[in-house]
Amino acid sequence: AQKVTQAQTEISVVEKEDVTLDCVYETRDTTYYLFWYKQPPSGELVFLIRRNSFDEQNEISGRYSWNFQKSTSSFNFTITASQVVDSAVYFCALSSNTGNQFYFGTGTSLTVIP
Amino acid sequence: EPEVTQTPSHQVTQMGQEVILRCVPISNHLYFYWYRQILGQKVEFLVSFYNNEISEKSEIFDDQFSVERPDGSNFTLKIRSTKLEDSAMYFCASNSGSTDTQYFGPGTRLTVL
Repeated sequence: AQKVTQAQTEISVVEKEDVTLDCVYETRDTTYYLFWYKQPPSGELVFLIRRNSFDEQNEISGRYSWNFQKSTSSFNFTITASQVVDSAVYFCALSSNTGNQFYFGTGTSLTVIP
Repeated sequence: EPEVTQTPSHQVTQMGQEVILRCVPISNHLYFYWYRQILGQKVEFLVSFYNNEISEKSEIFDDQFSVERPDGSNFTLKIRSTKLEDSAMYFCASNSGSTDTQYFGPGTRLTVL
């Protein structure tokens, strides 16, 4: 069975603080894909990153970084020096090797306080 | 930059009425999807569509739902007889390969009264 767990329901940080959003996944597939999406208050889903199961290299994109650890089945997302515009709900998602559906976590609502 | 578009942005309907939600996927994409998100909850998969047929569907996607690609650009979701619990945001997504990143449209908020 495929499952994504985002244990943090809501997080509040003060602007310029770093924040890490946790994502733990379950899958029996050896090939799978992990994603993060951002959902701002306007409601759309904005793609942030895709990672396949064979690529455990951490990735940095500006203030965003991702830590993929297969040993703990985690794909955590860190925002450095958070800004008010980072306030959104962030979803982690899992796709199997056959693709088709995404399995989304329940999301983490991040509020950055000015 | 190409994007997925959806119309209408907001649809209000009476319980029992039929609704059709429309999506225009990214033009060179081959795989199409519908998801729904009940307010404040997670995004849930409804159905995937490839080569003019459903490739996978969830338990949510019962006989009240149907999808169609009526022409070369549109991808529609029909709910035959809406229920109160169908009120949600409906997202369309597409990708060029089944395991590639799915790009989502802005969503249609469906309100069933």
